[in-house]
Amino acid sequence: DAGVTQTPRHEVAEKGQTIILKCEPVSGHNDLFWYRQTKIQGLELLSYFRSKSLMEDGGAFKDRFKAEMLNSSFSTLKIQPTEPKDSAVYLCASSLTGVETLYFGSGTRLTVL
Amino acid sequence: AQSVTQPDARVTVSEGASLQLRCKYSYFGTPYLFWYVQYPRQGLQLLLKYYPGDPVVQGVNGFEAEFSKSNSSFHLRKASVHWSDWAVYFCAADSGYNKLTFGKGTVLLVSP
Repeated sequence: DAGVTQTPRHEVAEKGQTIILKCEPVSGHNDLFWYRQTKIQGLELLSYFRSKSLMEDGGAFKDRFKAEMLNSSFSTLKIQPTEPKDSAVYLCASSLTGVETLYFGSGTRLTVL
Repeated sequence: AQSVTQPDARVTVSEGASLQLRCKYSYFGTPYLFWYVQYPRQGLQLLLKYYPGDPVVQGVNGFEAEFSKSNSSFHLRKASVHWSDWAVYFCAADSGYNKLTFGKGTVLLVSP
């Protein structure tokens, strides 16, 4: 079975640009999570979908971050406009249900100049 | 506030020696607890998980963890470390609302 696929692996953006990160969850999984990983803050939840419905929109990340799940096999995370402080690794994870067992993608490393 | 603390940012262990990585949680009640591992340039992988029951939980690759309610701890152990265990280890907790709170991680370095 294919795991969680994230593209691109690396993204470099200029400040103010719009970037879109992509995630394909494990086939058949109902739940999808977006996390941001930095050395200072660790892993922070950005968004949580259950059966394509947005359950958690990440509170402090709402203004410039928007995650969407267009169908059960594809999700995007848009950051608009990007700022240097957004430089981080963005991880996508999926599960059959809830957080019992999360399957993570390898992440997208975003650098904002 | 609910939190997970991993007090050691970095731990160095000789290959073949035993290992303990510490994790403390601060939650009302008893959360579900997890240990994940992240190898270089990869996503996180589940090592083991604890639901209320037997306090010692067995995981993959010889890892185990022990839950202690009195100490609010969930330490990870391994009897004999291998060089391939070199990675970052994350402790996490779920209070039942499908929101995992992760610790900051512990980097495990394995010396020959």
